[in-house]
Amino acid sequence: EVLLQQSGAELVRPGSSVKISCKASGYTFTDYYMHWVKQRPEQGLVWIGRINPANGNTVYAEKFKSKATLTADKSSNTAYMQLSSLTSEDTATYFCTRSSWDYWGQGVMVTVSS
Amino acid sequence: DIQMTQSPSSMSASLGDRVTITCRASQDIGNYLSWFQQKPGKSPRRMIYGATNLAAGVPSRFSGSRSGSDYSLTISSLESEDMAIYYCLQSIQYPRTFGGGTKLELK
Repeated sequence: EVLLQQSGAELVRPGSSVKISCKASGYTFTDYYMHWVKQRPEQGLVWIGRINPANGNTVYAEKFKSKATLTADKSSNTAYMQLSSLTSEDTATYFCTRSSWDYWGQGVMVTVSS
Repeated sequence: DIQMTQSPSSMSASLGDRVTITCRASQDIGNYLSWFQQKPGKSPRRMIYGATNLAAGVPSRFSGSRSGSDYSLTISSLESEDMAIYYCLQSIQYPRTFGGGTKLELK
């Protein structure tokens, strides 16, 4: 069974960084890119970027190039996204999904608040 | 960037109705179009891929079609469990782009 298990909710201070994870199981981790998607409360879906776990190659949406950093650890079948210089605009749920878009993580709610 | 213009943004319909949601692509995306259903507090669920292919486990009342740059998701006979927000996604070019969503409510 394919599973994408994401880390837990985060409450973080403005200006700080946060790193969230997405652990894959049930398939060969390096066979699929991993995409990340942002959803602000009551808003639509926004694509952040993707990583190729096989070689670490990344592609980002322009507006996230200085906000998000995607990495992957083949030894633990885990993809990560670090978000930096957090502001209230980063308060959102973040999803990981493999490149066939058929399996999604449960989402991580990141709340930026002082 | 490819713009995906989705319509309507919201709609209400009765049980048993035939419902159609549309996305228009600003550039040629071939059949690289997927549809997702999202219920409150849940992750998106892929319903259609390749513009017309039904994803595994999706009821046959859902279908996808294409006419030029217009892509449609149709529910042939609306059921209560179909109340959700639906999104389209183009996956031919980076950045990937979603439609703005269609909120489907019961009349």
